[in-house]
Amino acid sequence: TAGITQAPTSQILAAGRSMTLRCTQDMRHNAMYWYRQDLGLGLRLIHYSNTAGTTGKGEVPDGYSVSRANTDDFPLTLASAVPSQTSVYFCASSDSSSGSNEQFFGPGTRLTVL
Amino acid sequence: GQNIDQPTEMTATEGAIVQINCTYQTSGFNGLFWYQQHAGEAPTFLSYNVLDGLEEKGRFSSFLSRSKGYSYLLLKELQMKDSASYLCAVRDGDYKLSFGAGTTVTVRA
Repeated sequence: TAGITQAPTSQILAAGRSMTLRCTQDMRHNAMYWYRQDLGLGLRLIHYSNTAGTTGKGEVPDGYSVSRANTDDFPLTLASAVPSQTSVYFCASSDSSSGSNEQFFGPGTRLTVL
Repeated sequence: GQNIDQPTEMTATEGAIVQINCTYQTSGFNGLFWYQQHAGEAPTFLSYNVLDGLEEKGRFSSFLSRSKGYSYLLLKELQMKDSASYLCAVRDGDYKLSFGAGTTVTVRA
């Protein structure tokens, strides 16, 4: 079982360009999340989706958009990248019907905006 | 929102015990999680507490006191592979997680 996958693994992007980070899970989890991780700040929630067809804003949503057309996929789009969006991006998923509802994380995408 | 505090770094010797404290102030509480993250890798789930008390899982134990807004992760019989960052996370009433900045544990021989 693949679990949760992300693509690309890393990317260097020119400021002002757009980019979509891909996230796919095969665990049939209802909830999915996008975080960014920066040194000294820990993981911060960007957007989330509790179920297919719905999305919500997290702590740091500005400059990012998401969609949840189906259960498995949760892409994150940067419409016009800025250097402050340089970070490691983690996608996660969880099953709200499980006891602890712990989140499972993908391997991450390292993004550098120049 | 959530305010979560944990020490930045800790160092311990192989075979020893280390306790990582986490304090939180929350507008809603629906469980506390500990994750382990090795350098360059994704966080992996370690433990979950929603009621007061101690949860034991092999060499790792986690404690929660909701009235004090306090948790700790206890790592026993430290091994070199336990060198990693340990993340404390609090879940709110909307099932969203807020993470502390993480504690980097270095295990020395």
